[in-house]
Amino acid sequence: EPEVTQTPSHQVTQMGQEVILRCVPISNHLYFYWYRQILGQKVEFLVSFYNNEISEKSEIFDDQFSVERPDGSNFTLKIRSTKLEDSAMYFCASSERSGRYEQYFGPGTRLTVT
Amino acid sequence: GENVEQHPSTLSVQEGDSAVIKCTYSDSASNYFPWYKQELGKRPQLIIDIRSNVGEKKDQRIAVTLNKTAKHFSLHITETQPEDSAVYFCAASGSGGYQKVTFGTGTKLQVIP
Repeated sequence: EPEVTQTPSHQVTQMGQEVILRCVPISNHLYFYWYRQILGQKVEFLVSFYNNEISEKSEIFDDQFSVERPDGSNFTLKIRSTKLEDSAMYFCASSERSGRYEQYFGPGTRLTVT
Repeated sequence: GENVEQHPSTLSVQEGDSAVIKCTYSDSASNYFPWYKQELGKRPQLIIDIRSNVGEKKDQRIAVTLNKTAKHFSLHITETQPEDSAVYFCAASGSGGYQKVTFGTGTKLQVIP
């Protein structure tokens, strides 16, 4: 069964550094998402992406965050200047064309900002 | 925006008993309600979902009910097994393929053998 994949599984970075989290969505999916989960808390929506543009974003997704689909397979989340409070598990998800609602989650990248 | 409340936050049941988790949502435009199971350190995995044109859905030991008027939906697990132990999240989403999913706060279910 096709799965969403993410790299790296764990990223440690120093405060103020830039990080790029990578995702490969399921190949026939057209809608892509990033979520984050602070340890022990609920999963929070960050951004959705369709047709090479952001379709919706949350208040968490400020100017420090950006997303990109640099080629036909990858979907990336960039944090320009990391803060301690950015430490969390970041999940990528994808879904098929409109009409099917299921979002399939990747295994996550644990980001630790020191 | 959408707000999803979930309770209880923790639930312990004896193996073989039933478990019920309840959620409420605020946005009447929401029409898709997935339930996710998350094991420690793992991704959320969809276990069942329900759309607003349906009041109940069952899949083996798992069932969901939806009351759109009251904006309530519930997850029922029967004949619980130790491998059901995990955190369960309810969620709500609007129409269309790109709508965000708003998660509840999670229920940690422990099934005691």
